[in-house]
Amino acid sequence: GNSVTQMEGPVTLSEEAFLTINCTYTATGYPSLFWYVQYPGEGLQLLLKATKADDKGSNKGFEATYRKETTSFHLEKGSVQVSDSAVYFCALSQPGTSYDKVIFGPGTSLSVIP
Amino acid sequence: GAVVSQHPSWVICKSGTSVKIECRSLDFQATTMFWYRQFPKQSLMLMATSNEGSKATYEQGVEKDKFLINHASLTLSTLTVTSAHPEDSSFYICSALTFTGELFFGEGSRLTVL
Repeated sequence: GNSVTQMEGPVTLSEEAFLTINCTYTATGYPSLFWYVQYPGEGLQLLLKATKADDKGSNKGFEATYRKETTSFHLEKGSVQVSDSAVYFCALSQPGTSYDKVIFGPGTSLSVIP
Repeated sequence: GAVVSQHPSWVICKSGTSVKIECRSLDFQATTMFWYRQFPKQSLMLMATSNEGSKATYEQGVEKDKFLINHASLTLSTLTVTSAHPEDSSFYICSALTFTGELFFGEGSRLTVL
């Protein structure tokens, strides 16, 4: 079945460091891919998405490119801030007959220290 | 953006009692809502899909008599954990699907069963 794999955390970085969180997926067909972020004590928020191969999603300095050949959707940010500390979930959307079912990866916790 | 609200955000109950969690879409109508369970440091596990005016669709391994879901209106879905036990303690999150296919999440409800 469809699945999402992420690098294990927790990840701890200093402020202004470069961030990469790896994500790979297994899916039939052509899923849409997402990164969601969960700040402490809050629900999930959509960070960015890409709906087809070679699309690049971007938001708040974060980027991820839909790589069909490597079935990957790695999240990157050039310079992290303390406020980026959160749990990041990679996800794919599995098309259904009437709605899409979202499948989440295990999440990667990021802590950014001053 | 669209807002999804959950209530209560935190609940403590005694073993054997039932607890109801509400999920409301505040500024849009949602024919489809999803309920997830999140264990500590783990990803979201989809429990069931709630469709307005019809029975919920449960994922494999989720007891429908244990986790009662009702989607009585286009803006409200409820999850009732019946005869709760300590192993039901978890973080429960709902999401609502807009007519344009966007998914918005509630802030989550933490259940602790003593």
